[in-house]
Amino acid sequence: DIQMTQSPSSLSASVGDRVTITCQASQDITNYLNWYQQKPGKAPKLLIYDASNLETGVPSRFSGSGSGTDFTFTINSLQPEDIATYYCQQYENLLVTFGGGTKVEIK
Amino acid sequence: EVQLLESGGGLVQPGGSLRLSCAASGLTFNTYALTWVRQAAGKGLEWVSVITGSGGSSYYAASVKGRFTISRDNSKNTLYLQMNSLRAEDTAVYYCMIGEGVWGQGTTVTVSS
Repeated sequence: DIQMTQSPSSLSASVGDRVTITCQASQDITNYLNWYQQKPGKAPKLLIYDASNLETGVPSRFSGSGSGTDFTFTINSLQPEDIATYYCQQYENLLVTFGGGTKVEIK
Repeated sequence: EVQLLESGGGLVQPGGSLRLSCAASGLTFNTYALTWVRQAAGKGLEWVSVITGSGGSSYYAASVKGRFTISRDNSKNTLYLQMNSLRAEDTAVYYCMIGEGVWGQGTTVTVSS
């Protein structure tokens, strides 16, 4: 199985800050990586697909980059509504795997 | 628009069984592998099982192998998860999803006496 190592597990930032989350795959997944936002009681919401493509309707302050094994997710100018847990997910093969999640809080 | 809708969750005693369903619409169903993912309260996302588009191949997490069976009916655009010998640690919200990023809303399974 492909292991996904996501960091940090939590962070606290101020409104307007830039927030960065990283995800490292245990093997090359080219760009088969999604980033999700999950709020309590809700299903994960797709924000970024294929590592860097913004899902339709998602604000442009969210972005993703990377390929191979190292990926980055960025929120430019953190907003109060961005409080959530964020997950990366690889889909290079049938057995999708997830990062451990990053809980984002407002300082 | 692709939609996935799970059903079948509920409260069951340890050792009991449940069958979850996931009805799909808005896609050519038999061309997509489908996955079950679960999430225990306050925990992360855990892959449970996947089945290929034809239904010819399926795979399971070690934690459920031998107890859970994934299947699909491509004539009904429906995915299933038969869960037997349920344990307290199977308590979670169960989601069906497509690896490319489409999820259902989830159905809750609670295993408790």
